[in-house]
Amino acid sequence: KAGVTQTPRYLIKTRGQQVTLSCSPISGHRSVSWYQQTPGQGLQFLFEYFSETQRNKGNFPGRFSGRQFSNSRSEMNVSTLELGDSALYLCASSLGDLLTGELFFGEGSRLTVL
Amino acid sequence: DAKTTQPTSMDCAEGRAANLPCNHSTISGNEYVYWYRQIHSQGPQYIIHGLKNNETNEMASLIITEDRKSSTLILPHATLRDTAVYYCIGRSNDYKLSFGAGTTVTVRA
Repeated sequence: KAGVTQTPRYLIKTRGQQVTLSCSPISGHRSVSWYQQTPGQGLQFLFEYFSETQRNKGNFPGRFSGRQFSNSRSEMNVSTLELGDSALYLCASSLGDLLTGELFFGEGSRLTVL
Repeated sequence: DAKTTQPTSMDCAEGRAANLPCNHSTISGNEYVYWYRQIHSQGPQYIIHGLKNNETNEMASLIITEDRKSSTLILPHATLRDTAVYYCIGRSNDYKLSFGAGTTVTVRA
């Protein structure tokens, strides 16, 4: 079966702009979680959605938001981009709870903010 | 905040066993310990998970202490392709998922 698909794979934005990233989970998976990965901070949890509801949220400012649609596809949005938002953004899908279900990761969307 | 701790890096000779420790002091009684690894420029890949008992699959073995506050991932016969960053997943007191900083494992020929 198809894996987790993230689009776009690469993008370049300038400070102050906003960006929307998309994640299509594995068919049948209802949980989608998002992560930011940077060389300095490692892999950090952003938020998790399950059945269109945000279930968990990490320690990120309100500029980072997300949503999940009825088909389980998810988007995350970052507004008023800052240089420090340059990172690899990963999403993962799972059947159920984050800590009791295996996570399947996509290849990520690499964002560069100039 | 995050409560999982792992060594920053580890070297291992090809063909030898690699033992990767992780402390996860806030794991609750009914939550599993998961290990993932990330090879450069790819998304993390699942390795193994466990609750209380030791587990083994085709990739690795997982040893969990009786108090569940720590675990050890064992790669029995490391190969060059096992060079990666290894993460254990725990949960912090405020229910935020924690990946920890990971251990960079370098397997040398």
